[in-house]
Amino acid sequence: DAGVIQSPRHEVTEMGQEVTLRCKPISGHDYLFWYRQTMMRGLELLIYFNNNVPIDDSGMPEDRFSAKMPNASFSTLKIQPSEPRDSAVYFCASSLWGDSNQPQHFGDGTRLSIL
Amino acid sequence: GQNIDQPTEMTATEGAIVQINCTYQTSGFNGLFWYQQHAGEAPTFLSYNVLDGLEEKGRFSSFLSRSKGYSYLLLKELQMKDSASYLCAVVAGANNLFFGTGTRLTVIP
Repeated sequence: DAGVIQSPRHEVTEMGQEVTLRCKPISGHDYLFWYRQTMMRGLELLIYFNNNVPIDDSGMPEDRFSAKMPNASFSTLKIQPSEPRDSAVYFCASSLWGDSNQPQHFGDGTRLSIL
Repeated sequence: GQNIDQPTEMTATEGAIVQINCTYQTSGFNGLFWYQQHAGEAPTFLSYNVLDGLEEKGRFSSFLSRSKGYSYLLLKELQMKDSASYLCAVVAGANNLFFGTGTRLTVIP
């Protein structure tokens, strides 16, 4: 059974460029989450979707960040324009609908470096 | 707001027992997860507690005291492969998961 699939695994780009991160959740999962992980701040929730609808985007750092989920099997996180401080590992996770005890399943992450 | 505290690093010997503590202050507490994360990999689910008490799962156990805002993860019969970061995460509200910065455990021979 395929897990959460993220692409690309690594991205290196120059500041000012647009960056697009992609995620395919586990089939049948109703929730999709985007996280950012850095050494200083750990794992931070950026935004999450329920049934393709954004529910809470209070963790999105600023207007340069946007996320979409056009259908149940695909989501994107965009950064435009990118800045060096955006360098981090970005994780996508998905979970089943239900009580809060449903664990989140994480993808392998995208390691983003902005030069 | 949310505040989650864990020790930054711990070292333990192969075959021993280690306890990783987590204290939290949060509004709308709705459960606590422990995740394991090996270097360069994704976090993976270990345990979930919502009621007070101990949940045992093989070599790993997790304890929760809601009144004290305290949890611990207990790892028995440590193996070298247990060297990883252990993340405490609190559910606040419906689905918001707030992570601590993690405890990096090193298991030595």
